[in-house]
This record gives sequence, structure tokens and C-alpha cells, in this order.
Amino acid sequence: DAGVTQSPTHLIKTRGQQVTLRCSPKSGHDTVSWYQQALGQGPQFIFQYYEEEERQRGNFPDRFSGHQFPNYSSELNVNALLLGDSALYLCASSLEGVNYGYTFGSGTRLTVV
Amino acid sequence: KQEVTQIPAALSVPEGENLVLNCSFTDSAIYNLQWFRQDPGKGLTSLLLIQSSQREQTSGRLNASLDKSSGRSTLYIAASQPGDSATYLCALLTGFQKLVFGTGTRLLVSP
Repeated sequence: DAGVTQSPTHLIKTRGQQVTLRCSPKSGHDTVSWYQQALGQGPQFIFQYYEEEERQRGNFPDRFSGHQFPNYSSELNVNALLLGDSALYLCASSLEGVNYGYTFGSGTRLTVV
Repeated sequence: KQEVTQIPAALSVPEGENLVLNCSFTDSAIYNLQWFRQDPGKGLTSLLLIQSSQREQTSGRLNASLDKSSGRSTLYIAASQPGDSATYLCALLTGFQKLVFGTGTRLLVSP
């Protein structure tokens, strides 16, 4: 049973560029959330997708956007990259509802130079 | 606004010791609490999930407790091993369907 799969594992981008990160949820999960983790910090919630709609959003600018596809996979897009966007980006999946835990992927390490 | 604090920030112990990691939170209106482990540069591995109606959960050498009234959770690790060395994060599921994380406790278990 495959867990959460994220791609790519690492990438380096230049300031001002755009980036797309991808996530396949754990089999059977229908809810996907994205988190940003800066070095030495706990993950910060970016947004959550359910039924192909953004359901909740954290305190992140509109440069951060996402999408969920009919097969529940998801993308995170970041435009006009800043140096401060350098972080580990984590995708988490779950079943809809509050009685279930979250399963996290291994993350994508983004470095902006 | 929910705030989560984890104490201590770092802990170094010899192999075989029993240890307790602490997590405190300011708002008791949570759905559940989840403990994770994170190895350097890696993703999060779920250790234990405690529903808001539960008091504790156990898995192997790990035991987690939850006291909503006092805003506290503890993770107890019995007979620690070098392989337990990692950062341990607690996370609360809030009413906005998002996890709020603490900053973690970095654990080093020496042989």
C-alpha cells in the first residue's frame, strides 16, 4: 500500500521563477493538505483540498496556489519565487472528517537562489 | 489563535533511559492530537493519534497521553534506543481542518 508520494524530491529555482510541486495521496484518501516547513521550525499550513476545491487556507499570499484532480492527486504552484520560499514542502493526505490522522509524504526540498 | 509549545527543545540521553516529551497548547477546542517523528531532511512519520475523547494511546514502546483540560500531552518513550534519535513533533487538529504544529523536540540517544 503506497503512502503519500511527492515529486520532485529536490529542486533549485531562481528568484522570480515559478515552480510546481506534485503529490499523490495515500490510496483511499480524498483530502490533501500542503505544509511549508522552514529549517528548525514546525510545518505551517498552506491550504487543504477536498473534492477539487480549496477548503481552507493558511496565512500565505496568493502567489501560492493549488489544484486537486479527480483522482485526488494535487499540485502546489508558487509564482514569483522569493528567497524566503526556500523550505521543505510537505504534502499530507487523510480521509474526510476529523476522526482520522494525517499521512505525510517525504517532502520536496525547494531552494531559491 | 492556537499556540503549541514543546519542551524541551532538545534532549540528549544514554541508551536505555525512559523519557518524556511534553506538548502544551492554549486552546482545548481540538479534534485530535497526533505525534510525529521526523528524521533530518525527511518527511513526517505518524507515531500515535489520540482523539479528543481519549486519554491515551500506546504503540510498542511509545505511550501518548492527552489532558485537554490542562492543555497538555506527553509522549513517553520506554527503553530508548539510538534509532529513536529524531525530532518529535506534536500537532493538533483544529476546527479549521488544519494541523497546528509545535516546533519539536530534538532527541539524541547515545549508545
